[in-house]
Amino acid sequence: NAGVTQTPKFQVLKTGQSMTLQCAQDMNHNSMYWYRQDPGMGLRLIYYSASEGTTDKGEVPNGYNVSRLNKREFSLRLESAAPSQTSVYFCASSAQEGTEAFFGQGTRLTVV
Amino acid sequence: GESVGLHLPTLSVQEGDNSIINCAYSNSASDYFIWYKQESGKGPQFIIDIRSNMDKRQGQRVTVLLNKTVKHLSLQIAATQPGDSAVYFCAENMSSGTYKYIFGTGTRLKVLA
Repeated sequence: NAGVTQTPKFQVLKTGQSMTLQCAQDMNHNSMYWYRQDPGMGLRLIYYSASEGTTDKGEVPNGYNVSRLNKREFSLRLESAAPSQTSVYFCASSAQEGTEAFFGQGTRLTVV
Repeated sequence: GESVGLHLPTLSVQEGDNSIINCAYSNSASDYFIWYKQESGKGPQFIIDIRSNMDKRQGQRVTVLLNKTVKHLSLQIAATQPGDSAVYFCAENMSSGTYKYIFGTGTRLKVLA
């Protein structure tokens, strides 16, 4: 049982480049999330998808877009990467609101 | 290498002693709380949760206490082991359509041999 799988694990981008972070879960969860984690800080919510077919902004959505491709997959896109987007990105899923969220292993992104 | 948590508050505990990690949450309307453990280079891992209609919940070697009056949450780890060394986060969720798990900044637990 893989849980939440993120790809890639590491990525280095040049300023202005674009890329998509992939996330898939095999727990048949309804809700999926993208967080970023900066040094010395907790996780901050970028976007979430309460259920298949819906997406909503979180606390720090600027510079990002998301796609809930199907129930399993939720991708995060950086259209024009900036150094301020250097961070560790975590995808998570939960069965429903008010239940524990399960996290992937993270993607360490560096924008130079 | 680990870049998360460079400036986190740190709790150092002797192996075998009990650990208490505290967390102040922000929203009095939050009704669901979770403690996560994060080891170096890994994603947060669920430890225990508690709903606002409870003030205490016990798991295996862990206990979570909730004080809604002062908006305070604590995690107690009994007989702390070297494998407990990690960063611990509390998260709150206002389960009314917000879908936001708001995380605290975390506490680093160091277990001394």
